[in-house]
Amino acid sequence: KNEVEQSPQNLTAQEGEFITINCSYSVGISALHWLQQHPGGGIVSLFMLSSGKKKHGRLIATINIQEKHSSLHITASHPRDSAVYICANSGGSNYKLTFGKGTLLTVNP
Amino acid sequence: DGGITQSPKYLFRKEGQNVTLSCEQNLNHDAMYWYRQDPGQGLRLIYYSQIVNDFQKGDIAEGYSVSREKKESFPLTVTSAQKNPTAFYLCASSIRPGFGSGANVLTFGAGSRLTVL
Repeated sequence: KNEVEQSPQNLTAQEGEFITINCSYSVGISALHWLQQHPGGGIVSLFMLSSGKKKHGRLIATINIQEKHSSLHITASHPRDSAVYICANSGGSNYKLTFGKGTLLTVNP
Repeated sequence: DGGITQSPKYLFRKEGQNVTLSCEQNLNHDAMYWYRQDPGQGLRLIYYSQIVNDFQKGDIAEGYSVSREKKESFPLTVTSAQKNPTAFYLCASSIRPGFGSGANVLTFGAGSRLTVL
């Protein structure tokens, strides 16, 4: 059974701090997804990666396939980054993604 | 602008009533999905559809029904058989079915919050 674990569950930071959110999974994957859910509930895809590193603005996602681990980093965090960050992978299933429970990030000014 | 429209955003239902949540996409995506989100849990798959006139049960399909008569539409009916329907429901789509090859990103709607009174 594919399991996806995120840490920490909750994270509070001061504006400008460097943020790291971790994601571990139990079943080998073809790609891992990072998603962002804002307080209103809508979800947007941030990254999909199967190896190495991807960068978009202040967000960086890395993945280590051998260790079954991915991290999402936010540089120079800002209050508008406050959201729930979710990782997900297919875990070998062709039709289904398994989602982590999410990390609630709060960035204070 | 292309995207997914879910309606209504908020819905209240009395016990014993069926309700239908709408999901429409103008992205020309083949695959569509319905997820349920509960506090403290990851998203769980209710139903998915890989192509028009075809759909498959996900992990928690009991008490729900769907149809896919048009490519752009994938409505979800929450029936009275669903014992605990209060939740946040998210519709999503992807350009093609399947995540096994990896290169397939989900686009989500804004969600519908259902409360049973």
